[in-house]
Amino acid sequence: DTEVTQTPKHLVMGMTNKKSLKCEQHMGHRAMYWYKQKAKKPPELMFVYSYEKLSINESVPSRFSPECPNSSLLNLHLHALQPEDSALYLCASSQVKTSGNTGELFFGEGSRLTVL
Amino acid sequence: GQQLNQSPQSMFIQEGEDVSMNCTSSSIFNTWLWYKQEPGEGPVLLIALYKAGELTSNGRLTAQFGITRKDSFLNISASIPSDVGIYFCAGQLTSRGGSNYKLTFGKGTLLTVNP
Repeated sequence: DTEVTQTPKHLVMGMTNKKSLKCEQHMGHRAMYWYKQKAKKPPELMFVYSYEKLSINESVPSRFSPECPNSSLLNLHLHALQPEDSALYLCASSQVKTSGNTGELFFGEGSRLTVL
Repeated sequence: GQQLNQSPQSMFIQEGEDVSMNCTSSSIFNTWLWYKQEPGEGPVLLIALYKAGELTSNGRLTAQFGITRKDSFLNISASIPSDVGIYFCAGQLTSRGGSNYKLTFGKGTLLTVNP
């Protein structure tokens, strides 16, 4: 199984809603990531979890709240978002070797978020 | 911070033509990676390069890690319609005792192949 599965594929929410994006991988990868991607732009790193602990937060606003319940799951909780937060949210995972992270990311298909 | 200059921004080619794109950086990287993203999909890793001067092939794709560690190129030979997509280069710098989870992405090359 070499897939990263993201749900939902599409999400429309109002600025007062609370919703969550979910990500799952069963490759035994111990690093998991959330990226944000605007149309025709490269992915922008938001958060990194390493061994289920938050390793990197790229100064993301608190209306985005990540959670890593176990080594296979990664969630992104959304609350009080703004229209400019509309984007493709990508989850990724990677293997962590003794020499460090490989940089070889496996991405999910993404969750397309629209904030009205 | 580190920045990657990826060129060209876009390419329109005929099926069967060869394609070349490259990335340059003002600073060195330990790893260069090339990803392809098709519409409605997440990026998919094509080739990873770990040593300066390394030349690696994956089918019709060939990529090289520049000797100076500041550049990389990707060639696609005999293009086919399914090669369409956005190609991103990415660099990773591994530092002692530091996090190496961050990739620096180029802005992408949009490839269109006319059948």
